[in-house]
Amino acid sequence: QSVLTQPPSVSGAPGQRVTISCTGSSSNIGANMDVNWYQQIPGTAPKLLVNRESNRPSGVPDRFSVSKSGTSASLAINGLQDEDEADYYCQSYDINPSVRWVFGSGTKLTVL
Amino acid sequence: QVTLRESGPALVKPTQTLTLTCTFSGFSLRASQMSVSWVRQPPGKALEWLALIDWDDNKYYTSSLKTRLTISKDTSKNQVVLALTNVDPLDTATYFCARLPYDLYAFDAWGPGTLVTVSS
Repeated sequence: QSVLTQPPSVSGAPGQRVTISCTGSSSNIGANMDVNWYQQIPGTAPKLLVNRESNRPSGVPDRFSVSKSGTSASLAINGLQDEDEADYYCQSYDINPSVRWVFGSGTKLTVL
Repeated sequence: QVTLRESGPALVKPTQTLTLTCTFSGFSLRASQMSVSWVRQPPGKALEWLALIDWDDNKYYTSSLKTRLTISKDTSKNQVVLALTNVDPLDTATYFCARLPYDLYAFDAWGPGTLVTVSS
């Protein structure tokens, strides 16, 4: 049972925009903790996609953007491309010392 | 270039202790604000953070596994070791190690992962 909740799947056609939500609580996202997003191609390790809400590591296109409000965050992907098909995970920090670093339940993005 | 790589047994029997080693390069755990974590992913399931050790030898564990986990580091060898005692088939997963610089507070580099199966 993940601390952060994401929709199991989203889909979109090439060129479209999709968003992936990440719902937390007052002890993580709602406590103004950073939300990071990772992309994972099945069979490979996760890759940091966006951190500190807007910063993208070198090589990550600006088609990926994030937002945060209250206890939720969202990842938006503009101009969907075939290579975006992957699993996406949000991640934050929880001030509850029993969990600390927490991940979302994961979202499978299918490019139609 | 920052790299991490996990190593350890692919198959472990129930009740045994699983020991995994993360060998890294391109950074040092002597550096202030640096840390390394272990994260696991059961087949077809989500990522789960397990443990973290930082440059100052502070150690943190997920509470659900705290009594079974031990994380340690060998700074001279650039290695972080994770031990998980009394394994169960539910511990079958791909285990990743990942770097987390405290000034970034994100897992910015990952090893490729190692699949561990718990079965008799």
